[in-house]
Amino acid sequence: GENVEQHPSTLSVQEGDSAVIKCTYSDSASNYFPWYKQELGKGPQLIIDIRSNVGEKKDQRIAVTLNKTAKHFSLHITETQPEDSAVYFCAASIGPGSTLTFGKGTMLLVSP
Amino acid sequence: DAGITQSPRHKVTETGTPVTLRCHQTENHRYMYWYRQDPGHGLRLIHYSYGVKDTDKGEVSDGYSVSRSKTEDFLLTLESATSSQTSVYFCAIRIQGTDTEAFFGQGTRLTVV
Repeated sequence: GENVEQHPSTLSVQEGDSAVIKCTYSDSASNYFPWYKQELGKGPQLIIDIRSNVGEKKDQRIAVTLNKTAKHFSLHITETQPEDSAVYFCAASIGPGSTLTFGKGTMLLVSP
Repeated sequence: DAGITQSPRHKVTETGTPVTLRCHQTENHRYMYWYRQDPGHGLRLIHYSYGVKDTDKGEVSDGYSVSRSKTEDFLLTLESATSSQTSVYFCAIRIQGTDTEAFFGQGTRLTVV
């Protein structure tokens, strides 16, 4: 089955800096890659996703890039703010009707 | 949040006792999921449902059963709770025609002593 590796497990940045979280996947058939943000005491929240037919997608301060050849994808957060502090999860699936495989998560700490 | 309510939010139970967690949704979504979240393991799928009385196993289904007798309710049962089932359990829904769980509940923290 699919295996998703996520790095780093923790990431500390200063407010205003950029943060990058990377994930690799094992199944070349995977073609859909969502990212979730989980704040303390809450359930995960879908923040952005990308499909294998595009290489990059942006939504305000967050962006996701995908390298199908290398089988890795990354979340980029620019101009980080303290409210970006949370645990971020990547996931992968082979598409409609299939289940997700999640990475183990990255705890992002943004210091004022 | 797609009107997802999990109950109870917290529970402490003894080893060997049965436990049922409930996920209730108000928007008639067909697809519902149960995940467990543990430090160092991320989110792992336990069971999911694609309609009333239609369920399937996920990655970590051993020791768990589910039932879906109504669209709005998806129940997760630990037949005989063990300490290894101490975890935070999340229910999620997927909007039909999409590829991912769009909304998660607030979670149930279960402790088995």
